[in-house]
Amino acid sequence: GAGVSQSPRYKVTKRGQDVTLRCDPISSHATLYWYQQALGQGPEFLTYFNYEAQPDKSGLPSDRFSAERPEGSISTLTIQRTEQRDSAMYRCASSLVFGVLETQYFGPGTRLLVL
Amino acid sequence: EDQVTQSPEALRLQEGESSSLNCSYTVSGLRGLFWYRQDPGKGPEFLFTLYSAGEEKEKERLKATLTKKESFLHITAPKPEDSATYLCAVQRDSGYSTLTFGKGTMLLVSP
Repeated sequence: GAGVSQSPRYKVTKRGQDVTLRCDPISSHATLYWYQQALGQGPEFLTYFNYEAQPDKSGLPSDRFSAERPEGSISTLTIQRTEQRDSAMYRCASSLVFGVLETQYFGPGTRLLVL
Repeated sequence: EDQVTQSPEALRLQEGESSSLNCSYTVSGLRGLFWYRQDPGKGPEFLFTLYSAGEEKEKERLKATLTKKESFLHITAPKPEDSATYLCAVQRDSGYSTLTFGKGTMLLVSP
C-alpha cells in the first residue's frame, strides 16, 4: 500500500474484554514496529518484527499483550483481559529493512478506550 | 537507559517569529537522531535524520542541527501551517535498536 494503515481507528471496549488491533505496513517493508502513545507523550516501543520473526518483545507491558505477523506482512496486536490503564493510542510503523538508520513510517494509530 | 528530553513543552509564536526547539539526549553511542512532525489525530511524519555531530539538514523553513549532547530544530519565519507537535527520537548504536522518543514540543503559530 501507499502508506501504513491501521484498523480500527477507534475502539471502545469494556474492562476484561479482549481486543485485536491490525496493522498493514507499506508493501515490501520488512520491519514492523508497535508503539504505545499516551496523551502528551512520545511513542513508546512495544515490540517489532523482522518479516515474521519477532526478535524483541521487551516493551510489551504484560503477558496480556501479544503480537503476530504470521506471513511477514499484516500484523495484529492483541490485548487480553483489557484494563483501564491499557487506554492509549497504539501506533504501528514500518521500515524497508531492519538496519542502520532506516526511516520508520507511522500509521494513523488506533485509539483504544477501555471503560 | 536512553533518555530524550525536549524543551519547551509548548511554544507559541507569531507568524514570522523565528525560534528553536531543543532535544537533549543521553545514549550510549548514537546511531542516529530523528525529527518527526505530528499533527493532531495523525501518526508522526518523518522530517530528518542526523548522523553525527556538526551535521545540519534543511527542509523549507526547518533546519535541524546536531551536537554530541543535543539537537536543535530551527524554524525560520514560521507560518500557521507549521503548527504541530515536533518529536525527537534517538537510535542507539548497538546490534539492533529501535527508537526512543521524547515527549515532543507542541508548536502553535498564530497569524
